[in-house]
Amino acid sequence: EPEVTQTPSHQVTQMGQEVILRCVPISNHLYFYWYRQILGQKVEFLVSFYNNEISEKSEIFDDQFSVERPDGSNFTLKIRSTKLEDSAMYFCASSPRQGGNEKLFFGSGTQLSVL
Amino acid sequence: GENVEQHPSTLSVQEGDSAVIKCTYSDSASNYFPWYKQELGKRPQLIIDIRSNVGEKKDQRIAVTLNKTAKHFSLHITETQPEDSAVYFCAASIYNNNDMRFGAGTRLTVKP
Repeated sequence: EPEVTQTPSHQVTQMGQEVILRCVPISNHLYFYWYRQILGQKVEFLVSFYNNEISEKSEIFDDQFSVERPDGSNFTLKIRSTKLEDSAMYFCASSPRQGGNEKLFFGSGTQLSVL
Repeated sequence: GENVEQHPSTLSVQEGDSAVIKCTYSDSASNYFPWYKQELGKRPQLIIDIRSNVGEKKDQRIAVTLNKTAKHFSLHITETQPEDSAVYFCAASIYNNNDMRFGAGTRLTVKP
């Protein structure tokens, strides 16, 4: 079965630094998502992306966050100035159709540690 | 926005016993309720889902029930096996809305 791939698997950064998390969604999928999971807590929705623009975003997704699809395959999450509380596992996901009624395919995650 | 609560946070059962995980949601407009299984160090994967036009769905040893009036849904695993040990997440979303909200997860341990 095709998989969503994420790189890197682990990212360590200093507070205040910018990080870019990378994802390659499944090739024929149209909807892309970022979720995060702080250790021991629930999986939290950050943002959904369709047709080269954000379709929904949560209250977590503030001005420090941005997403981009720079080419036909990659989907990135940028955190401009990382804070300690940004430390979490970040999951990318994709779906062939709108996610509200559709299975999400998750990547294996990027563990972000902000020191 | 939607808020999903999940109980219990941990569940330990003997192999062969049944396990039940319960979730409640707040937005009555939610109409899609998937369950994801996350094994240690792996990605969440869909195991079963239910839509609001049905009250129950079954797939071999796994079943999900939905009570729209009470706004709760449950995952039932029968004849549990050690390989069922994982974290299980419920979620809820509204059709045509990409904002899927997850519960906090249940860590299920099946003892041989």
